Amino acid sequence: NAGVMQNPRHLVRRRGQEARLRCSPMKGHSHVYWYRQLPEEGLKFMVYLQKENIIDESGMPKERFSAEFPKEGPSILRIQQVVRGDSAAYFCASSGTSGRTREQYFGPGTRLTVT
Amino acid sequence: QKEVEQNSGPLSVPEGAIASLNCTYSDRVSQSFFWYRQYSGKSPELIMSIYSNGDKEDGRFTAQLNKASQYVSLLIRDSQPSDSATYLCAVQIQGAQKLVFGQGTRLTINP
Repeated sequence: NAGVMQNPRHLVRRRGQEARLRCSPMKGHSHVYWYRQLPEEGLKFMVYLQKENIIDESGMPKERFSAEFPKEGPSILRIQQVVRGDSAAYFCASSGTSGRTREQYFGPGTRLTVT
Repeated sequence: QKEVEQNSGPLSVPEGAIASLNCTYSDRVSQSFFWYRQYSGKSPELIMSIYSNGDKEDGRFTAQLNKASQYVSLLIRDSQPSDSATYLCAVQIQGAQKLVFGQGTRLTINP
């Protein structure tokens, strides 16, 4: 599968627990983006990463949320001490560096439910 | 004013007709424009990108960009029931990689 991969597809957490969402970019892509879609709302940018670097985190909540994209392995979006308002679909997208490869392609998403 | 605005719909179009989806944006340094299709419960799927003024055609889809009017549209010819989905307009500002999305337009094609 050469597309963007995300896991888990569904994640249920109780309030106060931690959620870890993983994303592997499309083959040949080195840029990863995380977006959040709240119920009945639009897609909102959270963070943009390249390997070992956070490039733009202007959409990340100031507390409890962090992201990384290590040299080896998938990108991780981590949400500590989840609250009900974190329940949403979290999408990862990836892109290349220039021309048409800068188009962003989305993974299937992780649906997080906080109980 | 929202950065990217779309009519939320729902937009109802008979099968075989042309569906016209519109999007306006506020930032004049916007550089790249994209249309995504999202079926209910699924992830956004890129269907068109457009970077310069004018029309770009791909099969039944035509994207139109007018930077002077800060307006981008998507036309779907010969609409099919399978085109029923929410269509998201996304804008990428010069110097930034992130996409700014509109709220989406829900399109229904009636057989």
